[in-house]
Amino acid sequence: KAGVTQTPRYLIKTRGQQVTLSCSPISGHRSVSWYQQTPGQGLQFLFEYFSETQRNKGNFPGRFSGRQFSNSRSEMNVSTLELGDSALYLCASSLGQVRNYGYTFGSGTRLTVV
Amino acid sequence: AQSVSQHNHHVILSEAASLELGCNYSYGGTVNLFWYVQYPGQHLQLLLKYFSGDPLVKGIKGFEAEFIKSKFSFNLRKPSVQWSDTAEYFCAVNGGNNDMRFGAGTRLTVKP
Repeated sequence: KAGVTQTPRYLIKTRGQQVTLSCSPISGHRSVSWYQQTPGQGLQFLFEYFSETQRNKGNFPGRFSGRQFSNSRSEMNVSTLELGDSALYLCASSLGQVRNYGYTFGSGTRLTVV
Repeated sequence: AQSVSQHNHHVILSEAASLELGCNYSYGGTVNLFWYVQYPGQHLQLLLKYFSGDPLVKGIKGFEAEFIKSKFSFNLRKPSVQWSDTAEYFCAVNGGNNDMRFGAGTRLTVKP
């Protein structure tokens, strides 16, 4: 079966712009989570969506937002980009409760802010 | 809030050496524990997980991990590493919610 698909794979944006990243989970997975991965901070939890509702949220500013559609696909939006937002953004899906099933990760979207 | 510590930032071993990567967490309640691996250029993959029962869990590719509740630890082990085990390894903890916290990762380099 197809894995977690993230698009685009690479993105270059300018400070102040906004960006939208997309994630298609594994078929049947209703939970989608987003992480920011950087060399210095490792994986930082952004948020989790389940059945179109945000179920959990990490400690990121309001510039970071997300949503989930009825087909479980999810998008993440970052507004007013800053240089420090340059990172690999990972999407992960889970069949149900993450604590019970763990994650399947996508390959990520590498965002560079210049 | 739960947190995860991986004390080894970079480990270098020769092939056939034994491996142990440390993972400690802080969380007062019941936890589910995971180890993920990220091979160069690939996405994160689940190596093994612990929910309950036997504290020694076996995963893929000959890896195992032992949960020691009194030490809040979940160390990853492999008796004999191979060059193909070169990767970054992440310990993760999930407490009472669905917020899975990851350690900073340990980069393993295996010399042929």
